[in-house]
Amino acid sequence: GAGVSQTPSNKVTEKGKYVELRCDPISGHTALYWYRQSLGQGPEFLIYFQGTGAADDSGLPNDRFFAVRPEGSVSTLKIQRTERGDSAVYLCASSLGVAGANVLTFGAGSRLTVL
Amino acid sequence: SQQGEEDPQALSIQEGENATMNCSYKTSINNLQWYRQNSGRGLVHLILIRSNEREKHSGRLRVTLDTSKKSSSLLITASRAADTASYFCATDAGNQFYFGTGTSLTVIP
Repeated sequence: GAGVSQTPSNKVTEKGKYVELRCDPISGHTALYWYRQSLGQGPEFLIYFQGTGAADDSGLPNDRFFAVRPEGSVSTLKIQRTERGDSAVYLCASSLGVAGANVLTFGAGSRLTVL
Repeated sequence: SQQGEEDPQALSIQEGENATMNCSYKTSINNLQWYRQNSGRGLVHLILIRSNEREKHSGRLRVTLDTSKKSSSLLITASRAADTASYFCATDAGNQFYFGTGTSLTVIP
């Protein structure tokens, strides 16, 4: 596609439920990033994929968060046993993956609200 | 934790004036980028400056980088109401990008 697509755009769930957020990056972009942004804050790094593998998952807050990118394209961020503190906008970005000149293209985000 | 910190946190100016926002960061970088975010939308890349560059221009944007002070500034000249947005610096240390806390710019028509 022409841009980074994220679905759903909005998700409201109850505490304790399981949530999946999907990111479809720009075709040909090998690098994919997930960020979380709370109101009034900057994007907080969660995880970075280069191809199919998670090159850096040091930003995942705890083991309730997991992300996959099985075919090196679409990625899914999975949150188990959601908590109210997980409420935020989850941003996905992709880039060509060329070290030293990476520019991120962001999706519009998935707004998660945990009641 | 976030790598960078922008200052001021909020800035309000009249249309036509220049807007300057600053970014400080903590560790060595390969390059520094500035992004813009309109309310409720994703971030859009504005400009990239490499660690061996000191100044870069793009249209009404001027970015400076001082690696000895670990700081950067973004100048928007002749501001327009459409420039109203949040602006973030992002540092690239390897393949990770860390964003600052952002400057919220309001341009009053």
